Amino acid sequence: AQSVTQPDIHITVSEGASLELRCNYSYGATPYLFWYVQSPGQGLQLLLKYFSGDTLVQGIKGFEAEFKRSQSSFNLRKPSVHWSDAAEYFCAVHPPTISNFGNEKLTFGTGTRLTIIP
Amino acid sequence: KAGVTQTPRYLIKTRGQQVTLSCSPISGHRSVSWYQQTPGQGLQFLFEYFSETQRNKGNFPGRFSGRQFSNSRSEMNVSTLELGDSALYLCASSWDPGQTSTDTQYFGPGTRLTVL
Repeated sequence: AQSVTQPDIHITVSEGASLELRCNYSYGATPYLFWYVQSPGQGLQLLLKYFSGDTLVQGIKGFEAEFKRSQSSFNLRKPSVHWSDAAEYFCAVHPPTISNFGNEKLTFGTGTRLTIIP
Repeated sequence: KAGVTQTPRYLIKTRGQQVTLSCSPISGHRSVSWYQQTPGQGLQFLFEYFSETQRNKGNFPGRFSGRQFSNSRSEMNVSTLELGDSALYLCASSWDPGQTSTDTQYFGPGTRLTVL
């Protein structure tokens, strides 16, 4: 079964500092990879996704992520965080289904809560 | 284009009652999935509907059910509510091209269910 690990439960960074959130997955083949962000009391907003091709993916709000097949990782980065980036971040995988009856569901990591200090 | 909408946003019920939550997907999206989010278990997949048929189901008891209408709107129902059913229930929709399945799920704001 596929699984996603986000080893950091909580990260605190200073405003303007760089950020890297870690994500590792376990799956038989390369899955589709996603990062979502959730602000308190809100749903999930898609930041970026990787299906294939260029391993460095650009997303919204200045975020990027790099897929590394050898490390089964899909880490999220931002060069300079803003106070508004404080939220919970979820990495998720989706099987690369090629079927009308595919197991089309997302498996999420446990999330990383990001705190920004002035 | 309007996003995924969920109603109601907040709900308070008592143990033993049943509840129905509604989800309207993004226009043109054919697949609707439901997730439960709790502090202890995180985000867990409930089920997915496509063309009015349940296509996939997570590991939840039969008290959790759902359906999808011809306009792709979906409802989920929880019968005989338990305290542990208190959670944020998220709905996600995707276009789902079918064979290649390179779609992305877009989430609604969720329904916060509190069971007393």
